[in-house]
Amino acid sequence: DVKVTQSSRYLVKRTGEKVFLECVQDMDHENMFWYRQDPGLGLRLIYFSYDVKMKEKGDIPEGYSVSREKKERFSLILESASTNQTSMYLCASSLRLKGNQPQHFGDGTRLSIL
Amino acid sequence: AQRVTQPEKLLSVFKGAPVELKCNYSYSGSPELFWYVQYSRQRLQLLLRHISRESIKGFTADLNKGETSFHLKKPFAQEEDSAMYYCALVYNAGNNRKLIWGLGTSLAVNP
Repeated sequence: DVKVTQSSRYLVKRTGEKVFLECVQDMDHENMFWYRQDPGLGLRLIYFSYDVKMKEKGDIPEGYSVSREKKERFSLILESASTNQTSMYLCASSLRLKGNQPQHFGDGTRLSIL
Repeated sequence: AQRVTQPEKLLSVFKGAPVELKCNYSYSGSPELFWYVQYSRQRLQLLLRHISRESIKGFTADLNKGETSFHLKKPFAQEEDSAMYYCALVYNAGNNRKLIWGLGTSLAVNP
């Protein structure tokens, strides 16, 4: 069974801090994704990666960056955290998108920026 | 532009009643559609995909290309079906394939 592990379930940080959210998957998936989930707004894609050292902007990349140095790990970085980045962050992975390859999600990180 | 619409933010039914969660999509090509579910305090997970034509936990979903819909149905809702449900579309974007999500429908099954 695919395991996607996010490093923290809950995180509290202060405005202006640099914040790292880590995600690791154990199924050798090429694709990895970072979403934020907000009530009434569904899932919004922040960044995704099709391969090591490769990244593409999603729908809402502003204020975020990512790093994929190894295939199994995809990090989301909030360069200077702001209160409007308080949210639930979901990491997902999948095989390269051919046919019906579903995304597998982690438990999420609930991030609060004070 | 491609779009996935789930018209109901919240759907409330009684246990044993039929339930239908609506999903409409906008895409001129051949769509691939999924339903994902998130139970309280659990991770988002795949419920079913249209190509499998399967029934999972009593739920089915049929792709209707004429109506561009992929509604999720269950004849007799159970309390444990209470969850957030997302419809998702995979489409071709140049050389890539992309996924787009609906905003979700929160299903509450009341005793």
